[in-house]
Amino acid sequence: DSGVTQTPKHLITATGQRVTLRCSPRSGDLSVYWYQQSLDQGLQFLIQYYNGEERAKGNILERFSAQQFPDLHSELNLSSLELGDSALYFCASSPRGSGTNEKLFFGSGTQLSVL
Amino acid sequence: GESVGLHLPTLSVQEGDNSIINCAYSNSASDYFIWYKQESGKGPQFIIDIRSNMDKRQGQRVTVLLNKTVKHLSLQIAATQPGDSAVYFCAEKRAGNMLTFGGGTRLMVKP
Repeated sequence: DSGVTQTPKHLITATGQRVTLRCSPRSGDLSVYWYQQSLDQGLQFLIQYYNGEERAKGNILERFSAQQFPDLHSELNLSSLELGDSALYFCASSPRGSGTNEKLFFGSGTQLSVL
Repeated sequence: GESVGLHLPTLSVQEGDNSIINCAYSNSASDYFIWYKQESGKGPQFIIDIRSNMDKRQGQRVTVLLNKTVKHLSLQIAATQPGDSAVYFCAEKRAGNMLTFGGGTRLMVKP
């Protein structure tokens, strides 16, 4: 168990809908990361937050947004969903988010299916 | 959730043999590298890491080799066990702490 908690484990929804994925980082970790794992593109970095502030942005669509709350949990919001958004979404956390040698610890993921 | 649907290169080894999983990374400026293991239904799990000022690092049954000249990383698993069956990803860290993952290799261990 990595200590990173993601809910829900599975989510089935329809095109055009909006969903929220939730992540609780490891105790003491200030930085949260979101990754998308799809069949054709492997693990793709979406966005990073550190202590409530956005720190880095990757290949995140404009239809997607995220935030990190004062208690350090994070939510990833996906709107106007398309079939191609079906994927595994992982959250990871690390202590500071800026150290060269910081390891990321991953949750078990949320499997999103858009029908 | 699992990554079994990915069209990944597959390495099939006999239980007890040594496994070598290779990875080519893309950015010569990357200074930190990690190997992750992803089992079915789980998230990536940290195995071993190496900094760019090293060329070899050993853990328990695992060794990572780094060749910066050709931008190549390898993971060696000694005495491979059925529990080692998983998808293995290498990841490189670039500026801004953005960890970038390679495409992954599926390791299958035959009993």
